[in-house]
Amino acid sequence: AQSVTQLGSHVSVSEGALVLLRCNYSSSVPPYLFWYVQYPNQGLQLLLKYTSAATLVKGINGFEAEFKKSETSFHLTKPSAHMSDAAEYFCAVSGPGPSHKLIFGSGTRLLVRP
Amino acid sequence: EADIYQTPRYLVIGTGKKITLECSQTMGHDKMYWYQQDPGMELHLIHYSYGVNSTEKGDLSSESTVSRIRTEHFPLTLESARPSHTSQYLCASSDSGAGANVLTFGAGSRLTVL
Repeated sequence: AQSVTQLGSHVSVSEGALVLLRCNYSSSVPPYLFWYVQYPNQGLQLLLKYTSAATLVKGINGFEAEFKKSETSFHLTKPSAHMSDAAEYFCAVSGPGPSHKLIFGSGTRLLVRP
Repeated sequence: EADIYQTPRYLVIGTGKKITLECSQTMGHDKMYWYQQDPGMELHLIHYSYGVNSTEKGDLSSESTVSRIRTEHFPLTLESARPSHTSQYLCASSDSGAGANVLTFGAGSRLTVL
């Protein structure tokens, strides 16, 4: 069985500040992990994915995430927030390989203050 | 341009009406999915298909039905809409290539049943 917990339904940061969105997972098989972003009135867009290669994964728009097996975490970070980063962010887990379905967390809404 | 299209984007309809949400993709993906998304909650998989004439129910029970007669088309139907069906419905697709199951999402169909 697999599950994802995203801590904090809302995170608010000032423009230029560090962004940290937390994700913890549970998986009975080696996990693949994903971060997706959803802008208002749009579908989800892949930010980055971890597939058992490098534990530090770089994605689009300056975001990165680090897979920490000992902590069962896959937190998303960005050194400096931009107003355009305001969106809903979803963490997801699946089993290894293309045949496994994704399990999504409940999402974290990122607010960026001027 | 390869993409995934959902229509209608917004639909307001009365109780008891039959509705069909359309989803088409131009990427030749063999796998397609329908997720239900309520505000502040995770995405729930309600239907998926791994190929033509193959459909399965997802993790969340739904009164909707789907069909997959053509690879590119995966419509979702509600025979008799009720207010409890009010939600956003997201269609996604992926291929069976090696590696992770990376989903490409449509922009969503927001359904309101009065």
